[in-house]
Amino acid sequence: DVKVTQSSRYLVKRTGEKVFLECVQDMDHENMFWYRQDPGLGLRLIYFSYDVKMKEKGDIPEGYSVSREKKERFSLILESASTNQTSMYLCASTLLNTEAFFGQGTRLTVV
Amino acid sequence: ILNVEQSPQSLHVQEGDSTNFTCSFPSSNFYALHWYRWETAKSPEALFVMTLNGDEKKKGRISATLNTKEGYSYLYIKGSQPEDSATYLCAPYSSGDKLTFGTGTRLAVRP
Repeated sequence: DVKVTQSSRYLVKRTGEKVFLECVQDMDHENMFWYRQDPGLGLRLIYFSYDVKMKEKGDIPEGYSVSREKKERFSLILESASTNQTSMYLCASTLLNTEAFFGQGTRLTVV
Repeated sequence: ILNVEQSPQSLHVQEGDSTNFTCSFPSSNFYALHWYRWETAKSPEALFVMTLNGDEKKKGRISATLNTKEGYSYLYIKGSQPEDSATYLCAPYSSGDKLTFGTGTRLAVRP
C-alpha cells in the first residue's frame, strides 16, 4: 500500500512559535507538495519540490518555508506562526502524469 | 497563479439523477489533468489522470472527458448515489511540475 504520512493530525501552537510539519512518502516519488485548505478556498499550493534540495514557490508561500534534504521527506516550516495560519495542511506526492497521493492532513491551530 | 475554474460550486441532486461538472484551465504548458474525489474527514483520492486531447476515462458510473485545445474537462456521474456525495476537484498539471487545484464542486445526493 502506498503511503504518505504526516507527522501530526492535530497541532496547537502559540503565536510566534516556529512550527515544523513533516511529510514522508514511501513511493520514491520525485514531486512533493504542501497545500492548505480553508473553507470556500479549496486547496491552495504553498510550496512544491521536484527533487532533493529543490523547491519552488506555490501560490501562497508568504510566511512559509520548506526543506527537502531526502527524497522521501518534505517539511513545511512556519518561521513565526500567526493566527491566520490556522488551517488544515495537506501533503501530497506524485510522479509526473500519475495520480497524487495525499497524507491524512494536519489541522493546525495557532493561538 | 494558474486560473482553474470549476462549475458549479455546489450541486444538490436526487438519488438516481445523472449529473456533470466542468473544469476549465489554461491550455498552455499542459501536461495532464487530474480529477479527485474528496469526502469529508478523508484525504482526496484520485479518480482519473488524463493527458491526451480527446481522452475519455471511465470508472464504474463516473466518466471524464478532456479537451486540451480549449482547456476544459467534464466529469459525469450516471445514476448518482448518496455515497457519491463529496467534493470533486480537478487539477491541471502544468510545466514546472506544478499541481494546482480548482476550488471544487460540492455534490450532495439526496436519498
